[in-house]
This record gives sequence, structure tokens and C-alpha cells, in this order.
Amino acid sequence: NAGVTQTPKFQVLKTGQSMTLQCAQDMNHEYMSWYRQDPGMGLRLIHYSVGAGITDQGEVPNGYNVSRSTTEDFPLRLLSAAPSQTSVYFCASSYSSSGRSWEQFFGPGTRLTVL
Amino acid sequence: AQSVTQLDSQVPVFEEAPVELRCNYSSSVSVYLFWYVQYPNQGLQLLLKYLSGSTLVKGINGFEAEFNKSQTSFHLRKPSVHISDTAEYFCAVSPKLYNFNKFYFGSGTKLNVKP
Repeated sequence: NAGVTQTPKFQVLKTGQSMTLQCAQDMNHEYMSWYRQDPGMGLRLIHYSVGAGITDQGEVPNGYNVSRSTTEDFPLRLLSAAPSQTSVYFCASSYSSSGRSWEQFFGPGTRLTVL
Repeated sequence: AQSVTQLDSQVPVFEEAPVELRCNYSSSVSVYLFWYVQYPNQGLQLLLKYLSGSTLVKGINGFEAEFNKSQTSFHLRKPSVHISDTAEYFCAVSPKLYNFNKFYFGSGTKLNVKP
């Protein structure tokens, strides 16, 4: 099992450009999430999905879109990049046990810089 | 609303010494509690969790944490640290009322173990 994979590992964008961060998991997990990690702020939830075709907003959704057409993939789209979106982005997946998911499995992260 | 406070952003300690990483939380509802560890250039992995029952929980790598409801704390301890414990540690809470683990993370504590 590859677990949770993210591409690219590093990306530099100019203000106003758009791009998609890819996330895939091969564990057949129902739940997937996107977080951003900023110095001194921990991780903050951007968007999450409880299954294919179902997504919802987290704490900091503005400027980001997601979709979940398959169980395996959960891409994060930056519509028009801004310097405030410079961050490290983590994708995570988790399984459901009795309606709750206890442990999240994290990908290695994508380090994004917006100039 | 939920918030998680990790008072110490950095904790230096010598190898084989004991360590305590502090975590306090605030929540209007009951929560589940977690500690995650992040090694350099990696994603997060679960150290331990408190769901119910005994307030002292044991995790991987010799770590343990104690839930104190009256003080709304969930401090992480290890009696004797190793160089390999050098990492960043995140405390997180998840409100019980959701059917999906929405995690709220603290800002992290960097543990630096010196020889």
C-alpha cells in the first residue's frame, strides 16, 4: 500500500495563477480531508469529504475548491492564487468504524509558495 | 467553538531526561483528544488518543497522556526521551457531536532532544 500520496511535493505560483493539488489514497477510506499548515498556527481544515460525491467546508475554505468523484482521489483546486495561500498542504484520509473515524492517515505534504 | 492551546512552542531537553508537553483546550461540547507527531518533512502520525474510560492513555514510542477534565488539559509525557523523539507534536480535539472527526489542532510544540 502506498497510503496517502500527494503531488507535487513543491510548487511555486505567481499571484492569480490557478492549480490543482493532487491527493490519492489506496486504503479504500471513506473520509478525506485537506489541511493547511502555517507556522505557529498548527493545521487548519480547508475542506473534507465523507464519501464520493459529498464534500463540505472546513475552517478556512475561501479560495479553494474540491470535488470527490472517486473514493481514491480528492484534488484541491486553487482558483486564483494569492500570497496568503503560501503554506504546506496536507491531505489525510480515515476509515469509518461505527460511524466515526478515529485515526487520520496523512500524506507527505505539498509545499506551495505564491509570489 | 473549540480551541487548543499548546503553551510551549519549543521544548529543549537532554537525552534520557523526562519531558512533558502541555495541552489545554476549550470547547462548548464534549471532545475526543489526540496527540499527533510530525517528523521533519513528513506528514502527521497518531501517537495516542483518548475516547473514554481511563484518563491515562498510553501510545506508541513510550508516550502517555493524561486527560484532566476539570483543568481541560491533556498533557503528553515520556519518562526518558531519545534523540529519535525530536519532532513536532500536535495536540488536537474533535467534538463528539459530529459523525465525522473534525479535528482542531494546536499550534504545535517542537521537541528538541540534545545528546
